[in-house]
Parts: sequence; structure tokens; C-alpha cells
Amino acid sequence: QQQVKQSPQSLIVQKGGISIINCAYENTAFDYFPWYQQFPGKGPALLIAIRPDVSEKKEGRFTISFNKSAKQFSLHIMDSQPGDSATYFCAASKTGTASKLTFGTGTRLQVTL
Amino acid sequence: KAGVTQTPRYLIKTRGQQVTLSCSPISGHRSVSWYQQTPGQGLQFLFEYFSETQRNKGNFPGRFSGRQFSNSRSEMNVSTLELGDSALYLCASMKEPSSRSEAFFGQGTRLTVV
Repeated sequence: QQQVKQSPQSLIVQKGGISIINCAYENTAFDYFPWYQQFPGKGPALLIAIRPDVSEKKEGRFTISFNKSAKQFSLHIMDSQPGDSATYFCAASKTGTASKLTFGTGTRLQVTL
Repeated sequence: KAGVTQTPRYLIKTRGQQVTLSCSPISGHRSVSWYQQTPGQGLQFLFEYFSETQRNKGNFPGRFSGRQFSNSRSEMNVSTLELGDSALYLCASMKEPSSRSEAFFGQGTRLTVV
């Protein structure tokens, strides 16, 4: 059972453009939604995270938008750069099992010049 | 501040053998979780240890086991290896297993079963 669905599977964006990755979850008990960035040969690195008490969180060029009623959240990367080319994973967890992250299937982002 | 350290980085084992992977969490972090990453199944939770006790377990067979030591270092063991166990095994550390704590991943151990 895939509890976190992520789309698109891959994304090509021009330098300076906006990259948008979407995730939808099923379990309404989830209350923590992080995004991870992974480069080849490396482990996932935490980018930004949000909790359901806010609808948006921004850190630099990265913004999470959260829609609790639709059970969806998305990552926006503004002014995308070639260095942003990586695989991005959304994830979710719930209080009580916070260390058990349920991951989306990943989005491979390529930012072209 | 040192990050999460996983050893070894690469391993090649033969089907039927067993393997032990090691993870040293960030200093002061007491929770260690293990994940399996494959192209087909993505990132899947294996288990989590906190204060030397297994707190959560994913849907993996009993061939996958782990333990945590008093210094929070953790080991993961896979017995009777199968070809399908080939994967990147990732360890994540947290200060404590609460929703206010962030998970930091190591670089992983790439296991190849031949």
C-alpha cells in the first residue's frame, strides 16, 4: 500500500525556472512532512519540512505548500539552478512513530542551462 | 559536528551468506533507524532503535535484524542473503524519536549480492 504518492517521476526545468513536485498522502494521522534531496552516491539530505498547523513554509528558494483538506503538499523550487539537479523525495510520519518515515517514490529533477 | 557514519560503504556478498552493517549516529542522537533503498521499491523503513530497544519495525522478513549499543551505535544484520537484498542501506539518526526531531541520513552502505 503506497501511502505517499509523488509526481512527476521526472522533471526537466530550465535554469531560472520554477520546479514543482507534488505529493499526496492517505493516512490522516500523518503530522510531519519533510522533503529530502539526494545526489547520486549520497544519502538523502533534509531540505525543508512542514507540520499541518501551517499552509506554507519558505526557506530561501524552497517553499512547501500544504493543503490539509486535500491531503496534498508540494515543493516549489524558485530560480532553479543546475546544482539543484538531484532526486527529491517527499515523506511523512506521525506522532508516536516519528522515526518511521514513509517516502514517496522520488522525482528526478534536471535543471538545464 | 560529525554526521552519520556508515561502514562499510560497499560490500559484495554471495547468496546465502550473512552480512553486518554499522552505523554511528550524530553525537547526542539516541535514535537510529534503518532504511532499504532500491530502484523498484524506493525507500522502505526497516526498523528503529532507541535506548538499545527496537521501537518500530517495517515489513521485512526475520532475516533482517538489528541492535543498538549503549553508545547509540547500531548494527544491522541480514542472514541468508538473497539476490533481492542488493540495495543501498541507509541509516538515519534523530535526537529522539519525537515529531519535533529531524532525521539525518548517512551516505549508506551499497550491498551487492551475487
